[in-house]
Order: sequence, then C-alpha cells, then structure tokens
Amino acid sequence: QQQVKQSPQSLIVQKGGISIINCAYENTAFDYFPWYQQFPGKGPALLIAIRPDVSEKKEGRFTISFNKSAKQFSLHIMDSQPGDSATYFCAASPPPGNKLVFGAGTILRVKS
Amino acid sequence: NAGVTQTPKFQVLKTGQSMTLQCAQDMNHNSMYWYRQDPGMGLRLIYYSASEGTTDKGEVPNGYNVSRLNKREFSLRLESAAPSQTSVYFCASSTLGQLRKPLHFGNGTRLTVT
Repeated sequence: QQQVKQSPQSLIVQKGGISIINCAYENTAFDYFPWYQQFPGKGPALLIAIRPDVSEKKEGRFTISFNKSAKQFSLHIMDSQPGDSATYFCAASPPPGNKLVFGAGTILRVKS
Repeated sequence: NAGVTQTPKFQVLKTGQSMTLQCAQDMNHNSMYWYRQDPGMGLRLIYYSASEGTTDKGEVPNGYNVSRLNKREFSLRLESAAPSQTSVYFCASSTLGQLRKPLHFGNGTRLTVT
C-alpha cells in the first residue's frame, strides 16, 4: 500500500499546454514534499520542493500547489515543452527526512 | 564532479547467485540510501545509512544486506538472488539537517534475475 498516491500514470500534453500531476497522502507527520524528474537511463533529480507552511511555490514554469487540509499536492508545468518529457515522481517525508516515500510516477510526453 | 557512481550498470544473475552492488559518492554527504524502482511502484527504500557506522531498514529490506564501508561508500548485497529482485537499483546520498537537502541519485544498476 503506497503512502503517497500519484495520478495519472501517464499524460500526453501538446507543446505549450499545461501539465498537471496530482498526489495525495495520509501521514500527517509528513513535512516535506519534493518532486523529482527522471529522464530515461538516468537517476531522478530534484525539480522543486515545498514545506506545508506555504500553499504554493513557483520556480520558472514549474509550480507546486499544496492543500494541507485535503492532504493533496500537485505539480503544474506551464508552457510544456518536448524537453519536459520525462517521468515525474512526487514524494514526502516526515522529520528528519531520511525516509523519503515516493509516488508511483507519471510518464509525461509533450507532443510537438 | 562524479557525484554518485554505481557499478555495475547492468547485471544478469541466475536464481540463487549472489552479488554486491557498489556505490560511492564524492560530495561529502553523511547519508546514503538504496532504492529499487519497479514499474507502477515508484521508488521504494531498501536500506539507508544516516551516518557512517549506522544502517537501518527501509520499506523493502528482505533479501538484502548493506555495508557502509566508509563515508563515501555504501554497498548492497544480494545473498541468494530471486526473480522478484529483478529491478533497477538506485543509490542516493544527501546531507541530513534542519534544511532539507535533495537526494542525489546515481544512474542505476539494471539487474535481471533468471
């Protein structure tokens, strides 16, 4: 049973469109919510992260929205580009941060 | 900078054989981790080492052992490989502290057990 549930499993978006990936969690002890991006043949790399004391964090075209009461958070990719095609993982951890739990992943394909 | 280096990149084992996956990091991180990645399951933590000299079980430790050889190196051993251990294995490192630091992953070892 996954502690972090991620959807959708796969996503196809037109170039210039908005990609949205959602995650939900149950453990209220989680206090750190990162997103990782993985290209084929490579290890995941941190994309953006948020703490529960804020509802939104934006870095360039990437935005995390966080709803603490609903225990949900999502990744929005604005103006999606073919180079964004990758697998995206949401994750969460309780303090002190040495047990990061990952969602199942979303395979994003951006069509040019 | 090399970052996190994993060897080998690919390995095929027969059921019952043993092997050790090697991992080394050159970022002076105190914490190291082993994850496995399976389709539809995401990444699952096998074992981690919060600091040199300590190791702890993660979510799926059965069938594995680890050794934190020194601050740089953290190895994962399969004593008697099973087909269920066919997976891609990732080593990662990080620094624990008040400010959460990202995990830095290697490029993985793709293991097939026949």
